[in-house]
Amino acid sequence: QVQLVESGGGVVHPGMSLRLSCEASGIPFNSYGMHWVRQAPGKGLEWVAAIWHDESKKYYADFVRGRFTISRDNSRNTLYLQMSSLRGADSAIYYCVGAFGDYFDCWGQGTMVTVSS
Amino acid sequence: DIVMTQSPDSLAVSLGERATINCKASQSLLYSSNNKNYLAWYQQNPGQPPQLLIYWASTRESGVPDRFSGSGSETDFTLTISSLQAEDVAVYYCQQYYSTPITFGQGTRLEIK
Repeated sequence: QVQLVESGGGVVHPGMSLRLSCEASGIPFNSYGMHWVRQAPGKGLEWVAAIWHDESKKYYADFVRGRFTISRDNSRNTLYLQMSSLRGADSAIYYCVGAFGDYFDCWGQGTMVTVSS
Repeated sequence: DIVMTQSPDSLAVSLGERATINCKASQSLLYSSNNKNYLAWYQQNPGQPPQLLIYWASTRESGVPDRFSGSGSETDFTLTISSLQAEDVAVYYCQQYYSTPITFGQGTRLEIK
């Protein structure tokens, strides 16, 4: 059974940092490209960042470049998102997503990040 | 960036009737080297993460009922539900994975009339 389980969300003040984790099971993690996608309350889906299966390439949305860092540990089947200089506009559910064939074929349940003073 | 525009924003269809959602890309999603359209459709039920329905514009994901179909090429795409069931009430998103940044349509809310 495919499972992606995110953790690390919470309530933080503007300017603070947070690290999200996503542990994968039931998939050949080291063969999957991995992504983070976020969704603000009541809003649509917004792609945040991607990392290739072997960590050779990383891509970021313009609105997080320089503030967020995506990484992975294939030995631990785990994906990370280090977020710094957080803003109110970063408040959202953050989904961990696996992509075996470029499209997004498995999604975690998400972890909520709230940035508020 | 490739802009994805869905229409309509919301749609009400009677049970058993056909539902059609359109998606237009600001540039072609057809990759000439493999003749594939880099377009996917997702369904999101309330309080749940999205689920993949269709990829490569017209390939149904395993386990997805055959009343769901995708069509189109280059910049114009359609998701069709041939006979609406109560469990199809959801928000539907198209997505391009042709290039980064990966982008989604704004979503279409489908309801029962």
